Amino acid sequence: EIVMTQSPATLSVSPGERATLSCRASQSVSSNLAWYQQKPGQAPRLLIYGASSRATGVPARFSGSGSGTEFTLTISSLQSEDFAVYYCQQYNKWYSFGQGTKLEIK
Amino acid sequence: QVQLQESGPGLVKPSETLSLTCTVSGGSIRGLSYYWGWIRQPPGKGLELVGTIFHSGSTYYNPSLRSRVSISVDTSKNQVSLKLASVTAADTAMYYCARVEGRHDVFDVWGQGAKVTVSS
Repeated sequence: EIVMTQSPATLSVSPGERATLSCRASQSVSSNLAWYQQKPGQAPRLLIYGASSRATGVPARFSGSGSGTEFTLTISSLQSEDFAVYYCQQYNKWYSFGQGTKLEIK
Repeated sequence: QVQLQESGPGLVKPSETLSLTCTVSGGSIRGLSYYWGWIRQPPGKGLELVGTIFHSGSTYYNPSLRSRVSISVDTSKNQVSLKLASVTAADTAMYYCARVEGRHDVFDVWGQGAKVTVSS
């Protein structure tokens, strides 16, 4: 099983600032990495796939990078609607999710 | 626009079988570019894949649940079903149905979820 580890568990950032979320895989997943956003009481929403491709309708302030075992989700200028929990997911071998990073308002 | 809607009992007794149905609207469940999955989320916790199913009926289950889980499709009703046997309190969760985009194996459309509590 590939274990996905996200850091930090909680990230406090002010609106308008940049947020950087990390995800590490226990073994290489190539670029088979996705990011999801989940707001309270809602289902997750696909943001990024293939490590760096934005899903349909996702604003350009969201960007993904990385390959192999180290990945990053960057939100360039935080809007109020971006405060949520973010999960990474590998799909290189079966599927596994990280435990999530809660992005909260500072 | 494809929409998914989960339905089923919100309360299941320990040792019984959890049964949920996902109705797909706005698109065919037989689409060759997609397949279907169930993901669950215990209260206050992260996401766990339960299993996936292709339109052909071929399935893949989470190894930790494999002995208890069954996923099937009913193409005539455009539905995907989940059964989880011998449930315990640890199976209490929100259960999501999701479409898997076949080229990239990512969950690109999600249902709103069905909350299931296991309790006597």
